[in-house]
Amino acid sequence: EPEVTQTPSHQVTQMGQEVILRCVPISNHLYFYWYRQILGQKVEFLVSFYNNEISEKSEIFDDQFSVERPDGSNFTLKIRSTKLEDSAMYFCASSDRGRSEKLFFGSGTQLSVL
Amino acid sequence: QQQVKQSPQSLIVQKGGISIINCAYENTAFDYFPWYQQFPGKGPALLIAIRPDVSEKKEGRFTISFNKSAKQFSLHIMDSQPGDSATYFCAARNSGNTPLVFGKGTRLSVIA
Repeated sequence: EPEVTQTPSHQVTQMGQEVILRCVPISNHLYFYWYRQILGQKVEFLVSFYNNEISEKSEIFDDQFSVERPDGSNFTLKIRSTKLEDSAMYFCASSDRGRSEKLFFGSGTQLSVL
Repeated sequence: QQQVKQSPQSLIVQKGGISIINCAYENTAFDYFPWYQQFPGKGPALLIAIRPDVSEKKEGRFTISFNKSAKQFSLHIMDSQPGDSATYFCAARNSGNTPLVFGKGTRLSVIA
């Protein structure tokens, strides 16, 4: 079964550093998403992306965050200057239909900001 | 208004029993209600979803019951198995915008 692949599985960084989280969505999917889950809390929406532009973003997704689809296969989330509160599991998801239906999630990147 | 309240936080069920997880919402503009299953170290996986025009949807051992007037929906797992032990999340989508709003999750343990 096709799957969404995320790398790295774990990322440790110092506060103030830039991180890039990488995702390879399922190949025929056109809708891409980033969600995050702080330990023990609910999964929260960050941003959705379609047709090479952001469709929607949450309040969490401030100017420190950006997304990019640099080529036909990768989808990245960049955090420019990490804060302690950015520590979370970050999930990439993709779908072949819009409006958040039938999302396929990757296994996540655990980001720890020290 | 954009919240989905999920209960219980954790649940222990005997093998062969019925697991029931409940979710409640306030926003009547929600129009899509999926349930996700998450195993440790993995991302959430779509289990089953329902729209408010039906009161029940069944897929194998998994059933969603939807009560529009009460603004509640629940997941029933029949003949629960140890392999069903996972965290289950309900979610909802507002018809006006697309992001899913998730509940806080229920950790299910099915014991033999």
